[in-house]
Amino acid sequence: QQQVKQSPQSLIVQKGGISIINCAYENTAFDYFPWYQQFPGKGPALLIAIRPDVSEKKEGRFTISFNKSAKQFSLHIMDSQPGDSATYFCAASGIGGGADGLTFGKGTHLIIQP
Amino acid sequence: NAGVTQTPKFQVLKTGQSMTLQCAQDMNHEYMSWYRQDPGMGLRLIHYSVGAGITDQGEVPNGYNVSRSTTEDFPLRLLSAAPSQTSVYFCASSLGRGGNTEAFFGQGTRLTVV
Repeated sequence: QQQVKQSPQSLIVQKGGISIINCAYENTAFDYFPWYQQFPGKGPALLIAIRPDVSEKKEGRFTISFNKSAKQFSLHIMDSQPGDSATYFCAASGIGGGADGLTFGKGTHLIIQP
Repeated sequence: NAGVTQTPKFQVLKTGQSMTLQCAQDMNHEYMSWYRQDPGMGLRLIHYSVGAGITDQGEVPNGYNVSRSTTEDFPLRLLSAAPSQTSVYFCASSLGRGGNTEAFFGQGTRLTVV
């Protein structure tokens, strides 16, 4: 049973464009939704996170949009740059975050073409 | 600022061999966990610990053992390696749970079982 569904699996965006990655979840007990960025040969690193009491969170060029009724959330990368090329994972936690409670999506391989 | 340190970075084992993957953190985090990452599968929780002397199973615990004798260290043991355990293993730690607690990941151990 896949509790967090992520799409697309891969994405190619032109430099300066908007990258959009979507996730959907089933478990209404989830209360923390982080996005992780992973470069080849490295571990995942927290990019941005949101709680379900807000519908949007923005940090620089990265924005999470959250739709509680639809049980969906998405990552938007504005003005995408070649340095943003990486694998992105959405995740969800039912215990407000922490190292032990994360359920991950399957990942999106993002390529930003110069 | 070492953060979460995993050793070794790469390992090749023969079927049936045993080994220990090491994980150490220097951030005085109480919570530590092990995830495995397989192509197209995202990260899945193997075992976790909420403090020294306390461990519990995650989503995919079979074939793995853990112990937590100190706050800093959380080794993962493979008692009899199988080809299905070929994966990239990540150790993570966090200060606690809740409050949007960030999980910090190590650089990973790439394990191949032949």
